[in-house]
Amino acid sequence: DQQVKQNSPSLSVQEGRISILNCDYTNSMFDYFLWYKKYPAEGPTFLISISSIKDKNEDGRFTVFLNKSAKHLSLHIVPSQPGDSAVYFCAAKASGTYKYIFGTGTRLKVLA
Amino acid sequence: DTAVSQTPKYLVTQMGNDKSIKCEQNLGHDTMYWYKQDSKKFLKIMFSYNNKELIINETVPNRFSPKSPDKAHLNLHINSLELGDSAVYFCASSQGGVGKNIQYFGAGTRLSVL
Repeated sequence: DQQVKQNSPSLSVQEGRISILNCDYTNSMFDYFLWYKKYPAEGPTFLISISSIKDKNEDGRFTVFLNKSAKHLSLHIVPSQPGDSAVYFCAAKASGTYKYIFGTGTRLKVLA
Repeated sequence: DTAVSQTPKYLVTQMGNDKSIKCEQNLGHDTMYWYKQDSKKFLKIMFSYNNKELIINETVPNRFSPKSPDKAHLNLHINSLELGDSAVYFCASSQGGVGKNIQYFGAGTRLSVL
């Protein structure tokens, strides 16, 4: 039973446009959500996170939105750049636990 | 200076062999993890140690044995390797385990069992 789902395995976007990556979760105990970026032959690197007490967190070109009622979060990248081309994983965690649950990733390709 | 380092980066071996993967972090973190990324690219937690104590042990065959000699190291030993063990194994660390913590990952070890 996959508690964190990224239903789009891939996404292509033109340089300069907005990239929107989506993530759905099923466990209502999750209260901390993270996005990681992964380049080939490297480990995932932390990008941005959001706590369930917020509905938006912004860091430069990256914004994460959380809709708790829909159990949905999204990552917006604007403007998208070719260097953003990577696999993006969302992850979720419940307070009081050590376990992070990862989605299967979305491969973003930003076309120059 | 790499924060979380894994060795080796690539490991090719025959079925039935025993192999180890080493992980070291220099971030001063107290929690370390092993993940397996299979052919479907799914990152699945295997084990976690907090201050050298095993705190997560997922449904992993007992051929896999983690060992944490100190807070900065978490090694993974695999006995009697099988074809299905072929995957990329990632080590990660975080400061504190139960809070809102960020994990830092190593570059991964690609294991191929022939």
